[in-house]
Amino acid sequence: SQQGEEDPQALSIQEGENATMNCSYKTSINNLQWYRQNSGRGLVHLILIRSNEREKHSGRLRVTLDTSKKSSSLLITASRAADTASYFCATDAGNTDKLIFGTGTRLQVFP
Amino acid sequence: DVKVTQSSRYLVKRTGEKVFLECVQDMDHENMFWYRQDPGLGLRLIYFSYDVKMKEKGDIPEGYSVSREKKERFSLILESASTNQTSMYLCASSSPNRETQYFGPGTRLLVL
Repeated sequence: SQQGEEDPQALSIQEGENATMNCSYKTSINNLQWYRQNSGRGLVHLILIRSNEREKHSGRLRVTLDTSKKSSSLLITASRAADTASYFCATDAGNTDKLIFGTGTRLQVFP
Repeated sequence: DVKVTQSSRYLVKRTGEKVFLECVQDMDHENMFWYRQDPGLGLRLIYFSYDVKMKEKGDIPEGYSVSREKKERFSLILESASTNQTSMYLCASSSPNRETQYFGPGTRLLVL
């Protein structure tokens, strides 16, 4: 399977702390995306980073990409209870419009 | 605002029933996808479509079929539902080379 894997599977932190999630993948990519899923809902796109980029920011989100290690990390700074959700990385599948999703990190932020 | 809708949030069916899950997008996207999501397994692609009347198998097509008669609508069909098809079903759409996929709210299907 080409599926990526997130680490850790679950993460619990207090409001105000930073949350870091990691993603590893197996094949070369053109880009990597992060999605968020609130409990029982669909996924929402957060951020995309291309293979020639090393770091990208969007609000309280910071994404890094290391193509030599085939890994990415998502940092959420100053977390809030509303950030409680599952977070998935997704990589493109060669020259197609398909995505390959990881297994997700479940983040719990306690007020 | 981008919108993908799914016909039901929750569905309960009996083993052997034929089940239709409908997905509609209003963004004029060419690509549409059906995934199932199970705990610990993440999202797995069942079928996808790049154009009207066009379909391609994903990673787990067995036991499923699809229909895309109109650009905005992509249906997932369980010909004879089985208990191992109890799952969360997610529909998504995207434009070619736009990379981002837009998801519907999901249908939680229980097969008894």
